[in-house]
Amino acid sequence: QLQLQESGPGLVKPSETLSLTCSVSGGSISAYYWTWVRQPPGKGLEWIGYIYHTGSTNYNPSLKSRVTISIDTSKNHFSLKLRSVTAADTAVYYCVREGPTGDLDYWGQGTLVTVSS
Amino acid sequence: DIQMTQSPSAMSASVGDRVTITCRASQGISNYLAWFQQKPGRAPKRLIYAASNLQSGVPSRFSGSGSATEFALTISSLQPEDFATYYCLQHNSYPLTFGGGTKVEI
Repeated sequence: QLQLQESGPGLVKPSETLSLTCSVSGGSISAYYWTWVRQPPGKGLEWIGYIYHTGSTNYNPSLKSRVTISIDTSKNHFSLKLRSVTAADTAVYYCVREGPTGDLDYWGQGTLVTVSS
Repeated sequence: DIQMTQSPSAMSASVGDRVTITCRASQGISNYLAWFQQKPGRAPKRLIYAASNLQSGVPSRFSGSGSATEFALTISSLQPEDFATYYCLQHNSYPLTFGGGTKVEI
């Protein structure tokens, strides 16, 4: 059974960089698209972007200038960096697989990142 | 970007009720639509993919329908464990976009 697990700091200061890693177990990361989705407290879901195992990426235009997603196939994990964060970036961040049907089939449990000084 | 308009945003219902949630896309998305259920503090769980295909392990009281711009999720007989928030997702084009959510309450 494929499992995804997010890890990283739960508190980030304004203007700094949010960094998260998603560890994938029970399957290889060398297939499909690997994505990040976020959800501010009490609000809806926002797609951040994806990375393919080749390193090809696609980002939400609303965040494109601040986002980098990278992948390490040797460690079977991928990562998110979001620069110059503000309180508006406070959210639960999920790592998710975009599977063979093209939608989001396997989700991590999510990790809350709070932006505050 | 494709906008997904979900309605209603919230609803009150009782056990045994038939519930229908709709999602409208701002442009045609064929059948590239999925439905998710989310309970408080949990990650979304996929219920339906390709507009009408039931995810393995999901009870048959859930069904999806529609194509192009109009879609619906129906729960034929609401059960206590179905009280949650439901989201649609279009994956016809990037950026992927979600509906605003429907909270189903008692």
